[in-house]
Amino acid sequence: AQRVTQPEKLLSVFKGAPVELKCNYSYSGSPELFWYVQYSRQRLQLLLRHISRESIKGFTADLNKGETSFHLKKPFAQEEDSAMYYCALTTSGTYKYIFGTGTRLKVLA
Amino acid sequence: DAGITQSPRHKVTETGTPVTLRCHQTENHRYMYWYRQDPGHGLRLIHYSYGVKDTDKGEVSDGYSVSRSKTEDFLLTLESATSSQTSVYFCAISEGRGTGHTEAFFGQGTRLTVV
Repeated sequence: AQRVTQPEKLLSVFKGAPVELKCNYSYSGSPELFWYVQYSRQRLQLLLRHISRESIKGFTADLNKGETSFHLKKPFAQEEDSAMYYCALTTSGTYKYIFGTGTRLKVLA
Repeated sequence: DAGITQSPRHKVTETGTPVTLRCHQTENHRYMYWYRQDPGHGLRLIHYSYGVKDTDKGEVSDGYSVSRSKTEDFLLTLESATSSQTSVYFCAISEGRGTGHTEAFFGQGTRLTVV
């Protein structure tokens, strides 16, 4: 079965510090991976998808198939990055999106 | 924002009563999903639909049923609400077109409290 693991429930960093939110997945085939962000009391919105390999709001994520990871990184955290971040996986043959348990990022002034 | 509307946005109901949540989309996307969001559990898939009248169970489907009689509407029914179903419910849609998967777009959520 497919699974997404986000080991950190809460990550606190100071403004200007680097950020890395971890995501590991289990799936034997070729997955498609996403990062979603949820600001306070708002809907989830797409932050990144690995296929597009783009940088959004300074965030990047690289799919590492050997380590089955898709960690989210930003070199310099900003206060407005404080939010809940979810890693998600979908696979060929199904259109279900499997989410991790989420990591709350708090950027301290 | 993708055209997804959930109703109601907030609801308080009593244990044992049936409750129906509605998701309406204006994007003509094929796939629709219902998730529940709980602290420590993230988002868990309840049911999803891959076309009109085509639905399947997710990982936490017990106590829930769904219906999709039109492309644009996906209804989630709690047959007899229990306190464990107190949660925030999110509807999502996706195109699922072509060889790649597109992202899912989410509604604003429905906060349901069962007392």
